[in-house]
Amino acid sequence: DAGVIQSPRHEVTEMGQEVTLRCKPISGHNSLFWYRQTMMRGLELLIYFNNNVPIDDSGMPEDRFSAKMPNASFSTLKIQPSEPRDSAVYFCASSFSTDTQYFGPGTRLTVL
Amino acid sequence: DAKTTQPPSMDCAEGRAANLPCNHSTISGNEYVYWYRQIHSQGPQYIIHGLKNNETNEMASLIITEDRKSSTLILPHATLRDTAVYYCIVRGHGNQGGKLIFGQGTELSVKP
Repeated sequence: DAGVIQSPRHEVTEMGQEVTLRCKPISGHNSLFWYRQTMMRGLELLIYFNNNVPIDDSGMPEDRFSAKMPNASFSTLKIQPSEPRDSAVYFCASSFSTDTQYFGPGTRLTVL
Repeated sequence: DAKTTQPPSMDCAEGRAANLPCNHSTISGNEYVYWYRQIHSQGPQYIIHGLKNNETNEMASLIITEDRKSSTLILPHATLRDTAVYYCIVRGHGNQGGKLIFGQGTELSVKP
């Protein structure tokens, strides 16, 4: 199994630009999670989906962030417009029925 | 807020057992103890989890006290590649849970 796949692995953009992060969960998993990691706040959950439906988005910072899961094998996290404080490593994780979560390698986002 | 307390850092000699403690005095009856680790610049990696019985797999052993208020993760023969931040997390299982709430973890340094 290829594990959770995230793209891009690194993204550098300028303030105000739209950023889209992508995630392909492990085949057969029906729950998907987006996390953000910064030095100041550590690892924090942004949103999670079960069977492609958003279950808890209470961790999404503000309206500039949005996440979609159009099918069982793909999810996006979009930031529009991006700001320097959004710079972080964004992780996607997947699981079967919210049991053990397996994480992807992360996307390191730098907003200048 | 994280429901666990861990020492911020520990050292271990290569080849020796690493014993990482975790306090979770407010754990409820249906909550599991999960352990993840994060090697620098990588996504968190699942290690092991348990409810009340001791558990062992190819990576580690988990010892949970009878009152379930604390646990110890044991890496029987630590190697340099085990240097990482180790997170102890309590959460519900299956459809009872979803979020992994990460605390600050224990930074384990394995030294030659």
